[in-house]
Amino acid sequence: DSGVTQTPKHLITATGQRVTLRCSPRSGDLSVYWYQQSLDQGLQFLIHYYNGEERAKGNILERFSAQQFPDLHSELNLSSLELGDSALYFCASSVHFGDARTNYGYTFGSGTRLTVV
Amino acid sequence: LAKTTQPISMDSYEGQEVNITCSHNNIATNDYITWYQQFPSQGPRFIIQGYKTKVTNEVASLFIPADRKSSTLSLPRVSLSDTAVYYCLVGGSNQAGTALIFGKGTTLSVSS
Repeated sequence: DSGVTQTPKHLITATGQRVTLRCSPRSGDLSVYWYQQSLDQGLQFLIHYYNGEERAKGNILERFSAQQFPDLHSELNLSSLELGDSALYFCASSVHFGDARTNYGYTFGSGTRLTVV
Repeated sequence: LAKTTQPISMDSYEGQEVNITCSHNNIATNDYITWYQQFPSQGPRFIIQGYKTKVTNEVASLFIPADRKSSTLSLPRVSLSDTAVYYCLVGGSNQAGTALIFGKGTTLSVSS
């Protein structure tokens, strides 16, 4: 157990629907990062939150949004789902992003496998 | 963010030492070098991180030359369970809004 909890583990839904993926970071970690991994694209960075504030956006579609709550858990909302959104979605956490010399890397959760049919 | 280049794939046999080299010519002064391991359908797992010279932990060693333009992950005496994708990343510098960007990684296949 990495300490990062992602729910649900599996999700099957139809095109056009909306889903919410949840991530609880490791205790004490203030940063949450979301990544998408599909077979042909590898690990794609989506978005980063630090202590409730959005800090960076990567290749995140406008149909996708995220937020980090006061208790530091984060949710990734995916709407108007398309077949191509089928992928593994990973959440990672770290203590903070600020100081490279104390950033010992990210801790990843086990992911949510989303299948859009 | 510094771009990294590493071999797409490598093959090895059980018991051998495996060295995976990563090039990062544009590494910044504040950047650290971090390696992750990923098994199928699992999240990447932190292996080792370094800034310069040599770092060793219970899993691997990381060799970084003085110019820091490359790094080598060394896995001693690999086993079948070391078959995985290995990612070399450079970053984590103190700039707001940065995040670790993963490349394609190196797929290591260990055979008996």
